[in-house]
Amino acid sequence: QVQVQESGPGLVRPSETLSLACTVSGASVTDYYWNWIRQAPGQGLEWIGYIFFSGSSKQNPSLKSRVSMSLDMSQNQVSLKLISVTAADTAVYYCARGDDFNPGWFDPWGQGTLVTVSS
Amino acid sequence: QSVLTQPPSVSAAPGQKVTISCSGSTSNIGNNFVSWYRQLPGTAPKLLIYDNSERPSGIPDRFSGSRSGTSATLGITGLQTGDEGDYYCGTWDSSLSVYFFGTGTKVTV
Repeated sequence: QVQVQESGPGLVRPSETLSLACTVSGASVTDYYWNWIRQAPGQGLEWIGYIFFSGSSKQNPSLKSRVSMSLDMSQNQVSLKLISVTAADTAVYYCARGDDFNPGWFDPWGQGTLVTVSS
Repeated sequence: QSVLTQPPSVSAAPGQKVTISCSGSTSNIGNNFVSWYRQLPGTAPKLLIYDNSERPSGIPDRFSGSRSGTSATLGITGLQTGDEGDYYCGTWDSSLSVYFFGTGTKVTV
């Protein structure tokens, strides 16, 4: 079955760039929509956006100017970059497979990776 | 801020039933499929219901979903202590072009 796992630095300094990878197994990254979702400590879930193999992507307008996503088909990975981070970007970041151009559901989810923004 | 409103908490005794509501509008629930997720303490969310009422493989029929107008409901029967956690609804908002999760509901058994 499809599995995803996030990886990346747990600590990022303010104003720098957050970079995460999502390694996919059991499926090709060219087959589905790959989404990033985050959850600030003690808070709810926030959809960040997705990328599709065609190159199409969609981002949450609240983050659009700072977010970029890409696919590495050789590594079967999805990556997320968030520039100019602040403490408000401290969260657990999840990677999840999505179903469609306008997402309807996410499954499976990775275990998540906590990123803390602090100097 | 989410456009989908859920009750902060619900509770019931083991073996009983709970329902969780998710209220939205015509631009989201009213015209797009709703999904539901369960997040047990310290773990990632897990898909329970998709397309308003469909269960993924492996999800027991204790979990059910429905949609009526601009609201959706998750039902859980035969509550177990292992069901304690946070539950979120989610759907696409066609006007804002954003996927929203609900505000979340804590289930206590």
